[in-house]
Amino acid sequence: EAGVTQFPSHSVIEKGQTVTLRCDPISGHDNLYWYRRVMGKEIKFLLHFVKESKQDESGMPNNRFLAERTGGTYSTLKVQPAELEDSGVYFCASSQAGQGSYEQYFGPGTRLTVT
Amino acid sequence: KQEVTQIPAALSVPEGENLVLNCSFTDSAIYNLQWFRQDPGKGLTSLLLIQSSQREQTSGRLNASLDKSSGRSTLYIAASQPGDSATYLCAVRTPGEGNKLVFGAGTILRVKS
Repeated sequence: EAGVTQFPSHSVIEKGQTVTLRCDPISGHDNLYWYRRVMGKEIKFLLHFVKESKQDESGMPNNRFLAERTGGTYSTLKVQPAELEDSGVYFCASSQAGQGSYEQYFGPGTRLTVT
Repeated sequence: KQEVTQIPAALSVPEGENLVLNCSFTDSAIYNLQWFRQDPGKGLTSLLLIQSSQREQTSGRLNASLDKSSGRSTLYIAASQPGDSATYLCAVRTPGEGNKLVFGAGTILRVKS
């Protein structure tokens, strides 16, 4: 069974440009999460999808970030326009349906560098 | 608001030693706690998941314990090996904060050969 995959693995863009990150969860996992780790800080939650619906987007830093999960399969996270402070590693995770008990499986992350 | 602290921030031990990593959390009403391992430049690998009703979980040389009432978990690594060198992260899921995981800053472990 394939794990969580993310694309690209690395992205270097200039301030003001747009970047779109993609996450493919484990097949059959209804829950999909985005997290990020900026330099020197803990991994922080961004948002949570249940199928195609946003269940919790309390961690999204501002309206420059837009996440979608059309059809309840893969998800994209768009940053537009990118700022220097957006640099970090963006992780995607998925878990089975239901709440509370299920283990979250993480992808390898996308390292975003904004110059 | 849940906060997770990991001690120590870094640890260097000779090969073969048994070691303990500590994790504490402020809100004891958790669903579960996960221990992860992260190798440099790589993603997170889930090591152990302990449900709130459990006291410990074991996998190979790893044993994680949970004392919910005191807000603590420990990860015990037996007979450490250089391949255990990585960053170890603990994260909790709390009913009051949806399904998100709240992470500690991690412990950087180096096992010297």
